[in-house]
Amino acid sequence: SQQGEEDPQALSIQEGENATMNCSYKTSINNLQWYRQNSGRGLVHLILIRSNEREKHSGRLRVTLDTSKKSSSLLITASRAADTASYFCATDAEGDFGNEKLTFGTGTRLTIIP
Amino acid sequence: EAQVTQNPRYLITVTGKKLTVTCSQNMNHEYMSWYRQDPGLGLRQIYYSMNVEVTDKGDVPEGYKVSRKEKRNFPLILESPSPNQTSLYFCASSLSRPGGSYEQYFGPGTRLTVT
Repeated sequence: SQQGEEDPQALSIQEGENATMNCSYKTSINNLQWYRQNSGRGLVHLILIRSNEREKHSGRLRVTLDTSKKSSSLLITASRAADTASYFCATDAEGDFGNEKLTFGTGTRLTIIP
Repeated sequence: EAQVTQNPRYLITVTGKKLTVTCSQNMNHEYMSWYRQDPGLGLRQIYYSMNVEVTDKGDVPEGYKVSRKEKRNFPLILESPSPNQTSLYFCASSLSRPGGSYEQYFGPGTRLTVT
């Protein structure tokens, strides 16, 4: 089953606007990661936030984590055409020897309109 | 250059014909993993390996095999491919297990079609 679910599934905004996408998950985690995927290509790591952190910034990216609600949000400020991509959240999940699995959500498809 | 490589990048095959997709990383990573990506389902983990000779099932292991005889290589084997294994496959590696807060490095993907 999917540990992470992103919302919305698709988002279109004008260049320069901010984009916000959300991720919900089901079980306790050690960390949550966000990845970007350009069409049909490999995923690229964007940012990681640990379970004891509430907010993290990296350039134009801002990630929040609310462990009580089991949710995270990714904010991209001042969007650019190059931000057009799919965005996935990923959470570590428990296996036989600890949290060695990684579970991805279904993704948000972001389109930036020039 | 630090990277994860996969071969082949594209493959069309027929039902039942055994195939292997290779994966190699040059970062001395302990953790390696295979995912499949299907429309509307996101990425699902097939198998992962914590280190040499240590492998375990992910969420969708049926119909796949893996081996980890060397640290850098983690091949994915389809003994008898079926059409429902048509998908986009990604190999990934990280310094250690996801629970230790390590980012994954992804290969470019292998698009497999089974007819």
